[in-house]
Amino acid sequence: GAVVSQHPSRVICKSGTSVKIECRSLDFQATTMFWYRQFPKKSLMLMATSNEGSKATYEQGVEKDKFLINHASLTLSTLTVTSAHPEDSSFYICSAVQGAESPLHFGNGTRLTVT
Amino acid sequence: AQTVTQSQPEMSVQEAETVTLSCTYDTSESDYYLFWYKQPPSRQMILVIRQEAYKQQNATENRFSVNFQKAAKSFSLKISDSQLGDAAMYFCAYRRPGNTPLVFGKGTRLSVIA
Repeated sequence: GAVVSQHPSRVICKSGTSVKIECRSLDFQATTMFWYRQFPKKSLMLMATSNEGSKATYEQGVEKDKFLINHASLTLSTLTVTSAHPEDSSFYICSAVQGAESPLHFGNGTRLTVT
Repeated sequence: AQTVTQSQPEMSVQEAETVTLSCTYDTSESDYYLFWYKQPPSRQMILVIRQEAYKQQNATENRFSVNFQKAAKSFSLKISDSQLGDAAMYFCAYRRPGNTPLVFGKGTRLSVIA
């Protein structure tokens, strides 16, 4: 089956620094990738939609300058949390889709802790 | 905007028994997809079952089946012969056709009692 690799699985960073999370589709070309955030014991909230070669579309309330998303190739999207603060600590998970009507495939998520 | 509601934050079931998890959704679309995902403590998202709205027949995957009531906008998940490994968070999700994201409900935490 289709595989989406998300890296790192866990990261701890200091307040004020930036951290980059990678989402790779290993055996298919992902025209679109979605980034979700999940707070403890909560649901997955869509942060942004990333289409290859174009700017990401952010959901209302998500700061685009804080959560930088790049989708430069059909197999890689990155989420960079800039100037991280403790309230950015969360579980971030990506999903990728090959095309319209194709199923979504999830990465295994990244647990970010900002100290 | 589409919304998905799971009214049961927590459920429990005895091993080998049957449990039903509820889900309702709101949409003005006539064509869409519905899903149930399982999220164990590892937090990996595992697809349990999928239903196309245009199909009247309820989807079934081994011990998992759904009761899809399109007019009522209801999509419940029935787990038969519950196993200890079924313990997890279960999310109901909705998706419009196209390159669209999943919209998730708040989830139901299922415990399985031995």
